[in-house]
Order: sequence, then structure tokens, then C-alpha cells
Amino acid sequence: EAGVTQFPSHSVIEKGQTVTLRCDPISGHDNLYWYRRVMGKEIKFLLHFVKESKQDESGMPNNRFLAERTGGTYSTLKVQPAELEDSGVYFCASSPQGSGNTIYFGEGSWLTVV
Amino acid sequence: AQTVTQSQPEMSVQEAETVTLSCTYDTSESDYYLFWYKQPPSRQMILVIRQEAYKQQNATENRFSVNFQKAAKSFSLKISDSQLGDAAMYFCAYKGGATNKLIFGTGTLLAVQP
Repeated sequence: EAGVTQFPSHSVIEKGQTVTLRCDPISGHDNLYWYRRVMGKEIKFLLHFVKESKQDESGMPNNRFLAERTGGTYSTLKVQPAELEDSGVYFCASSPQGSGNTIYFGEGSWLTVV
Repeated sequence: AQTVTQSQPEMSVQEAETVTLSCTYDTSESDYYLFWYKQPPSRQMILVIRQEAYKQQNATENRFSVNFQKAAKSFSLKISDSQLGDAAMYFCAYKGGATNKLIFGTGTLLAVQP
């Protein structure tokens, strides 16, 4: 069974540009999450989808970040325009329906804004 | 609000020896889950072990075990017979029983010396 996959694995963009990160959850997982780790700090929650609906987006830092999950399958996270402080690792994770299940993570997308 | 604290930014252990990674948390909830995730240099974050708060027995997974002290809000990870492949960043995480949001500590970078 394929795990959570993320693309791209690395991205270097200039300040002011746009980047779109993609996440394919484990097949059948209704729950999809985005997390971010800024260098040296803890991993922080960004948002949570249940199927195509945003269940919790309390961690989204500002309106430069837009997450979508059309059709309840894969998800995209767009940063527009990117700022220097957006640099970090963006993790996607998924889990089956319910709140007691293990959450599985992808390898992360490393974003560097220069 | 719930918090997770990992007070050891870096640890080192000799191959075949035992090491304990510390984690404390703060919560007012009675129903919750605790996790240890491992992120090797290849970057994918892998679940090492999980503990349900209602279970008194400490979780174990092969060479990995936890010391769960609910009253003290402590959740340490013991790695026995350390192997070179155990070298990674280890994250302690908390999840409330009614939510799917993980709250992470800042991580402990474990080095294994041959």
C-alpha cells in the first residue's frame, strides 16, 4: 500500500513568487492534514480536511496560504506571494475516519524562499 | 492549551546501549493519546509508538518502550540495544481524544555512535 506522497520534495523560489505543494494521502483516508516545521522549531498544525471539507484551519498563518482538497482525494497548499519566513518543511499526513487512529506522515516538502 | 516539551535538543548513544528521550506535556483533558515519531535523514516521519492515556500499561514495540507517568505528565521513550538506523530526529506528540490535531515537541536529535 502506498504511503502519503508529497510533491515537490524540494522547492527554491524567490520572495514574491508562488508555490503549490501537492499531497496524495493514503487511499481511503478521509482525514488529511498539513503541518509545517520552521527550522529549529516544533512542527505546527496548519489545517485539517475531512474529505473535501475544511474541519479546522486554525493553524493557517495568514491569507497568503490557500489549501484545497477538491473531490476529497489529493490536496494542494498554495503560498502566494511567498515570504522569507515561509521557508521550512511542509508535511502532509492522513488518517482513516475517526479520531483514535494513527496519523501517517509523508516525507515533507522542503520550501526555501530566497 | 496543550503543550509538549522536549528538553533534550540532542542526545548521543553508543551502539547496543540504551538511551532514554524525555517528553513532558501539559493538558487538562482526561482522554488523549501520546506518540513518538521518528524522522530519519531520509525525511519520512514514521510512527514509533503510541500510548492511550486510559491504558496504565506502558506501550512497547520491540526495542522501543515508553515510561508513561500520567500524574507527572511525562512520556519518555526508551530505546534498547541502539542501532545505527535509530539515528534520527525524534518527536513527541500529543493528541486530544476528541480531535485529530497533533501537538508536537521541538524534537530530539539522536546520534548513534558505532
